[in-house]
Amino acid sequence: AQTVTQSQPEMSVQEAETVTLSCTYDTSESDYYLFWYKQPPSRQMILVIRQEAYKQQNATENRFSVNFQKAAKSFSLKISDSQLGDAAMYFCAYKRTGNQFYFGTGTSLTVIP
Amino acid sequence: DAGVTQSPTHLIKTRGQQVTLRCSPKSGHDTVSWYQQALGQGPQFIFQYYEEEERQRGNFPDRFSGHQFPNYSSELNVNALLLGDSALYLCASSVRGLQTPLHFGNGTRLTVT
Repeated sequence: AQTVTQSQPEMSVQEAETVTLSCTYDTSESDYYLFWYKQPPSRQMILVIRQEAYKQQNATENRFSVNFQKAAKSFSLKISDSQLGDAAMYFCAYKRTGNQFYFGTGTSLTVIP
Repeated sequence: DAGVTQSPTHLIKTRGQQVTLRCSPKSGHDTVSWYQQALGQGPQFIFQYYEEEERQRGNFPDRFSGHQFPNYSSELNVNALLLGDSALYLCASSVRGLQTPLHFGNGTRLTVT
């Protein structure tokens, strides 16, 4: 069974600084997708960034980037120039072919003014 | 362009009762998935509907059932409610056949007393 592990229940970062959230996963598949979702208090899960496993280049979306290490089954999220609006729960998710997503337990990010 | 909409926002039920939650997918999406998010946990996959049929199912008992209508909207039904069914229920939509990320609604908070 696929499992996604987020070992940091809580993280904090000073505004304008950089923070990295960790995620590891377990799979025997070679073709899959990885995602980071953000869940603010409004409860809606919002896509932050996605990575296709067949792509070696790390995905980047503005201030958000990932460090994808396929052999190590690691998928960390780096947030640069942190803003107050970045405060939320962050979930790492795995999806293989088909549409079932597997989520980690989340990391609560606090941004300190 | 309307996103995923869910109703109701909150619901309180008594143990043993039945509940129906509703979801309208994002415009252009034909696949609806339901997830259960217990407090402090990541979302857990319940099932997915496409072309009005259940296509995939997670590890949930038969008390959880669903339906998809010709307009792609969906319902989640839970019978014989247990205290442990208290959770945030998230609906997510996507496009079948494309490796699109899930688009989530704001969820329905179900409390079973």
